[in-house]
Amino acid sequence: AQTVTQSQPEMSVQEAETVTLSCTYDTSESDYYLFWYKQPPSRQMILVIRQEAYKQQNATENRFSVNFQKAAKSFSLKISDSQLGDAAMYFCAYKETSGSRLTFGEGTQLTVNP
Amino acid sequence: NAGVTQTPKFRILKIGQSMTLQCAQDMNHNYMYWYRQDPGMGLKLIYYSVGAGITDKGEVPNGYNVSRSTTEDFPLRLELAAPSQTSVYFCASSYGSGSSPDTQYFGPGTRLTVL
Repeated sequence: AQTVTQSQPEMSVQEAETVTLSCTYDTSESDYYLFWYKQPPSRQMILVIRQEAYKQQNATENRFSVNFQKAAKSFSLKISDSQLGDAAMYFCAYKETSGSRLTFGEGTQLTVNP
Repeated sequence: NAGVTQTPKFRILKIGQSMTLQCAQDMNHNYMYWYRQDPGMGLKLIYYSVGAGITDKGEVPNGYNVSRSTTEDFPLRLELAAPSQTSVYFCASSYGSGSSPDTQYFGPGTRLTVL
């Protein structure tokens, strides 16, 4: 079974600085999707970024980028120029290409200090 | 578009009571999902549907039932509420062709407490 591990329960960053959140996963599949979701105090799950495993190029969305290392099964999220509104719980998630189920990690609580 | 909507936002149930959590989406997505999120944890899949009239179990289906009579709606039924069902429930939807559903979009969640 696939598993997703986020080894950092909590992280903090100063406003305007850069922070990297870690995620590793375990799978025997060669084709799959990886996601980072943000959950602010409102509880809404918001898609931050998505990566297809067959793509070698790392995904980027404005201040958010990933470092996807397929061989190492690692998928870290980098947040540049951190803003107060980035404070939230961040979840890494995995999905097989042909499957319906998202497998989530346990989350990393990010605090942004002014 | 409203996206994915869920009602109610909060609910307190007594042990043994029943209720239905409502979920609707207006994006014409064929896939819909129900997840639960326990405190300090990620989400776990309860049930999902690949289209009207078709549902399947996820990781934690016990104690729940679903139906999908229309593309837009995917209600989740709790028949005999138990304290172990205290959780936040999320509905999600996605577009997909064949067996490859695309990115899932989530509703705002329903916080359920069973006392």
